[in-house]
Amino acid sequence: DQQVKQNSPSLSVQEGRISILNCDYTNSMFDYFLWYKKYPAEGPTFLISISSIKDKNEDGRFTVFLNKSAKHLSLHIVPSQPGDSAVYFCAAWNGGATNKLIFGTGTLLAVQP
Amino acid sequence: EADIYQTPRYLVIGTGKKITLECSQTMGHDKMYWYQQDPGMELHLIHYSYGVNSTEKGDLSSESTVSRIRTEHFPLTLESARPSHTSQYLCASRGAGDSYEQYFGPGTRLTVT
Repeated sequence: DQQVKQNSPSLSVQEGRISILNCDYTNSMFDYFLWYKKYPAEGPTFLISISSIKDKNEDGRFTVFLNKSAKHLSLHIVPSQPGDSAVYFCAAWNGGATNKLIFGTGTLLAVQP
Repeated sequence: EADIYQTPRYLVIGTGKKITLECSQTMGHDKMYWYQQDPGMELHLIHYSYGVNSTEKGDLSSESTVSRIRTEHFPLTLESARPSHTSQYLCASRGAGDSYEQYFGPGTRLTVT
């Protein structure tokens, strides 16, 4: 049973526009969320995170929004750049129960020049 | 900048062979993890360690084994490789404290023929 879901396998946006990647989760005990970016044949790199006590965290072009009542988070990238083209994984920390990161299946973002 | 290394980066090997995937980190992190990831799928935790001489199986059943004799080294061994083991193997580490971020190595792409 998938606890972290990324329902859009892929997303295509134009350079300079906003990219919005979505993630839903089922476990209300998750207390920390992270976004990772992954290029082919490389390991994931950490992008941005948010604690469950916050609803927004911003770092340069990247902003993560958390809606706990909806069990939904989103990553906004603005403006999008061709170098942002990669697979983006949402991950949730289940520290209370298992002390492990639970990953979604990823969304492939393609930023068209 | 995370310093976590994996070798080999790519490996093609025949069925029945014994292989060891190497993972080393120079950050002094006590927690280390092995994940398995296939295209379009989430990262599955197969092994983790919270310190020297501590190893645990992850959520995904795996025929591999791990050891943690030194803090910086966390090798993964397959005694008898099978085509079903074909996948990308990602090693990660995490330091002490409140940071939930895991640092990933570049991965090993394993193909068993």
